[in-house]
Amino acid sequence: QKEVEQNSGPLSVPEGAIASLNCTYSDRGSQSFFWYRQYSGKSPELIMFIYSNGDKEDGRFTAQLNKASQYVSLLIRDSQPSDSATYLCAVSSLYNFNKFYFGSGTKLNVKP
Amino acid sequence: EAGVVQSPRYKIIEKKQPVAFWCNPISGHNTLYWYLQNLGQGPELLIRYENEEAVDDSQLPKDRFSAERLKGVDSTLKIQPAELGDSAVYLCASSLGGQDGNNEQFFGPGTRLTVL
Repeated sequence: QKEVEQNSGPLSVPEGAIASLNCTYSDRGSQSFFWYRQYSGKSPELIMFIYSNGDKEDGRFTAQLNKASQYVSLLIRDSQPSDSATYLCAVSSLYNFNKFYFGSGTKLNVKP
Repeated sequence: EAGVVQSPRYKIIEKKQPVAFWCNPISGHNTLYWYLQNLGQGPELLIRYENEEAVDDSQLPKDRFSAERLKGVDSTLKIQPAELGDSAVYLCASSLGGQDGNNEQFFGPGTRLTVL
């Protein structure tokens, strides 16, 4: 079992819609959760992080964390074609705060 | 503030040749990571440094890979000899480190290695 699981997609949404990206993790004691955006041929770019249960909003992005169910999600409101990318979920280990486990990413396509 | 710097950006070598990658982390970042990323996969950790100490190198193929972070700033990752399967993107990342938060990682542009 992988530490972090993501649906590879592609997830296709029309422009202006809400895109919902999900991630599950296996280590119940994980502490920190991150979303990275990766455009084709580029390196990952940090867009959100969340440490506590609940929602965290930053502009059009909302990260949601549910530790009891061991999932973290990313909502992108008013999706734009420029949001088309692969979104990587990363989780920080309980036993080692600075060790990250990355999912394989979900490819998002926003259609004009 | 400058981000993580990596060089070269691209490298093409023949198998059995040596290759080296260089990384300069964000100023003040104590933790430095080297990752390998294959197409369609997430980054996989090769080695993590806390200052100049390699604290996690369990996934580093030590028969052919080596790394160093002299003086706890710049780092070099070396492969000798390279194999066809080493073709991938090699990413360097850094973070402030510590156990009280601030462990967000920031990535460099990566080095795309092609082994022929």
